[in-house]
Amino acid sequence: AQKITQTQPGMFVQEKEAVTLDCTYDTSDPSYGLFWYKQPSSGEMIFLIYQGSYDQQNATEGRYSLNFQKARKSANLVISASQLGDSAMYFCAMRESGTSYGKLTFGQGTILTVHP
Amino acid sequence: EAGVAQSPRYKIIEKRQSVAFWCNPISGHATLYWYQQILGQGPKLLIQFQNNGVVDDSQLPKDRFSAERLKGVDSTLKIQPAKLEDSAVYLCASSPALAGGETQYFGPGTRLLVL
Repeated sequence: AQKITQTQPGMFVQEKEAVTLDCTYDTSDPSYGLFWYKQPSSGEMIFLIYQGSYDQQNATEGRYSLNFQKARKSANLVISASQLGDSAMYFCAMRESGTSYGKLTFGQGTILTVHP
Repeated sequence: EAGVAQSPRYKIIEKRQSVAFWCNPISGHATLYWYQQILGQGPKLLIQFQNNGVVDDSQLPKDRFSAERLKGVDSTLKIQPAKLEDSAVYLCASSPALAGGETQYFGPGTRLLVL
């Protein structure tokens, strides 16, 4: 079974509007972390936001917020006030505890295109 | 603070040739990761080092891939001999330590094309 599922291969948004990128995960581990990374065409993975499984509040970092619904095992990324520079591939990733602690498992990614 | 450095940025080789990639992590970061990202997919972990010891290499094709991190700082990843399916971006990442919620920071990657 897929550990991280991103069901939206591509998303389009108008500049200055908000957009939500979906991510669902599968784990039986009670302690885990969820990450979102941005990958522009240059190829570098840029860290955006982190949510721990025990965090009581949803994470926020500037224009990025994570809509964490633990019971539904979803960790959607919300980008407010989209900018042209937000056009990129976005990856959701999970880190579980255990023998391979530290290892990130990535989803397939969602390509976001911001229109002017 | 300098980020994760990788070289070369691009490499084109023929199948059965060998190739090596280099990574210099963020200063002071104990943990170093090599990921393989095939076009259209998310990155997949190949090997994880804690200082100069291997923590996880379960997904490393050991018949052709090798990696080392001498002195616990920079690292090299080698492929010998290369196959067509090795065409991918090879990403290096580092984090301060294994424990806690440390984030992994990635380098720009090396794009490998095997012909």
